[in-house]
Amino acid sequence: ILNVEQSPQSLHVQEGDSTNFTCSFPSSNFYALHWYRWETAKSPEALFVMTLNGDEKKKGRISATLNTKEGYSYLYIKGSQPEDSATYLCAPTGAGSYQLTFGKGTKLSVIP
Amino acid sequence: ETGVTQTPRHLVMGMTNKKSLKCEQHLGHNAMYWYKQSAKKPLELMFVYNFKEQTENNSVPSRFSPECPNSSHLFLHLHTLQPEDSALYLCASSQDRISGNTIYFGEGSWLTVV
Repeated sequence: ILNVEQSPQSLHVQEGDSTNFTCSFPSSNFYALHWYRWETAKSPEALFVMTLNGDEKKKGRISATLNTKEGYSYLYIKGSQPEDSATYLCAPTGAGSYQLTFGKGTKLSVIP
Repeated sequence: ETGVTQTPRHLVMGMTNKKSLKCEQHLGHNAMYWYKQSAKKPLELMFVYNFKEQTENNSVPSRFSPECPNSSHLFLHLHTLQPEDSALYLCASSQDRISGNTIYFGEGSWLTVV
């Protein structure tokens, strides 16, 4: 069973602030890291799938980096908006796997 | 219209009842999943089906019985559940193995066992 840690557990920021949070995972048998965004009463929505060490992905104001050697990924949100309020989940997976092992998530609240 | 549809969205059942959760995906995927979200716990994988065949069962108690009649439909049959089984049950689908592929989730079925 993989141990996936996300920090912080929750975060409150003012509208316009930039923020970032961390996902730590075992680097052995790693193939890809998935990031999801989960708004209350909605389905989790895929943000990024990252595979390569040093990989950087960007989607609007949200970006992510990946370090597979040390087993961590950062998610950055630039100029947070109230609509960014959600729980952000990360999940690593191995090669040829059907399993995503999720962390408990970081709950972001953006205060207008 | 969402790609993965779950019904019912909310279900309250007694411990002696038998009920089922239904999931349908409209994405042409071949793999389907049941996940469980309990309070203060991460999303936990329960079952995986690929082309109607079960490929993963993460030591789920037999009171949860999955059924996958075809690649588009997935059921979770529930019987003699316990109050601690109350949780959000999420269905998902993907095109083949997850590895580098995106998994698409439904909005979930909230289950309360009384």
